[in-house]
Formats: sequence, C-alpha cells, structure tokens
Amino acid sequence: SQQGEEDPQALSIQEGENATMNCSYKTSINNLQWYRQNSGRGLVHLILIRSNEREKHSGRLRVTLDTSKKSSSLLITASRAADTASYFCGTSYGKLTFGQGTILTVHP
Amino acid sequence: EAQVTQNPRYLITVTGKKLTVTCSQNMNHEYMSWYRQDPGLGLRQIYYSMNVEVTDKGDVPEGYKVSRKEKRNFPLILESPSPNQTSLYFCASSLGGGPDEQYFGPGTRLTVT
Repeated sequence: SQQGEEDPQALSIQEGENATMNCSYKTSINNLQWYRQNSGRGLVHLILIRSNEREKHSGRLRVTLDTSKKSSSLLITASRAADTASYFCGTSYGKLTFGQGTILTVHP
Repeated sequence: EAQVTQNPRYLITVTGKKLTVTCSQNMNHEYMSWYRQDPGLGLRQIYYSMNVEVTDKGDVPEGYKVSRKEKRNFPLILESPSPNQTSLYFCASSLGGGPDEQYFGPGTRLTVT
C-alpha cells in the first residue's frame, strides 16, 4: 500500500525561486526520506529526517516533519535549472514506501 | 566507485520465458531491495533482504522470486513473465539492516510481449 502522498503533482517555477513540496502519510514512521529522480534514472537520496526530529537542513534543502499532522515538506531554496526532476518522499517503518512524486520544472 | 549495477539495462522478452535481472553492489551493504516503477503508481517494493539468506516480500511480490546467497548480489527472477510485468525495475541497497539512505541502480526497462 502506498503510504506517502506528495503534493503538488507538478510544480513549475523560475530559476532563483523557492520550491516547496509536501508529503502526507497515514501511519507511524521511523523516518521519512526524500529522493530525487532525473528522467527515468535511479533515485538519489537527498535527506532523511527521523520521527523525533522536526527540521533538517542540507545545503539548499530544508525538510520539516510534523508527526502530529503526519506531514513533511521539502523546500529547495534558490532553485536552479539542474533541480528539474521528480521528487519522492519515502516513509520508513520496517520497509520504505514511496508516494507518486512531485514533478518539478525549473525554467532558466 | 561506490555503485549499484543492474543488468541488463533494457530487455524485451516474450510471455513465459524465464529471465533474471542481476543486481550487484560494491559497498558491503546489508540491505538490498527491488522496486518497480509504473506511471501513476509510483515506486512499489517487490522484495527486500535485510542480510544474506534473509528475504521478505514487499508490496507486490507476485510473479517474482529473489535470492541472497552473497552479500553483494540480489538477483530478481521472473519465472514466467507476463505483460503486466512490463515496467521499470530498480535495485537499491543501504548500509544498515533497513532501507535508510538507499543507493539505487540505474534501472532495467523490461518489456514483456
């Protein structure tokens, strides 16, 4: 069963703008992970946030987790054309379950 | 270079002809997993292995088999492929015994006619 659901399904922005993607899930988790996928290629791990953490940063990425609302958000600041990709959240509780992803397009 | 490799990368086959997709990692990872990716359905886990000789079903295991005889290899076997197994398949591995911070292979695009 799919646990994480990303929102929006697609996001189109200009270079330099911030991009925010959201993930909602239904049951308990150990951690939540965000991955990036460039057109048909393998996923690349971006950041992992544990259930007892509320916020985490990695370079231009900021992830928040609200376990009471069962939701997470991924913020990419000062986006670049190279950030164009699909972004997936994966919820981990023994195994990792992915949502359908957000397609981000960053226009130069 | 640390990586997960899959072979073949592309495969067109016919219904019922047994096939194996190999997966190998060179990072001494404990955990390995197979996913399939389909439009509108996202990534779904087929099987996973927490360490050698230990495998378990994911969300969509029907029609697939796996084995983990060695730490580095985790082949996916389709005994009698059917058209509904046409998909993009990914192997992944991670250091610990769980699916944290997985490294993904480049994918195998399988078409079953």
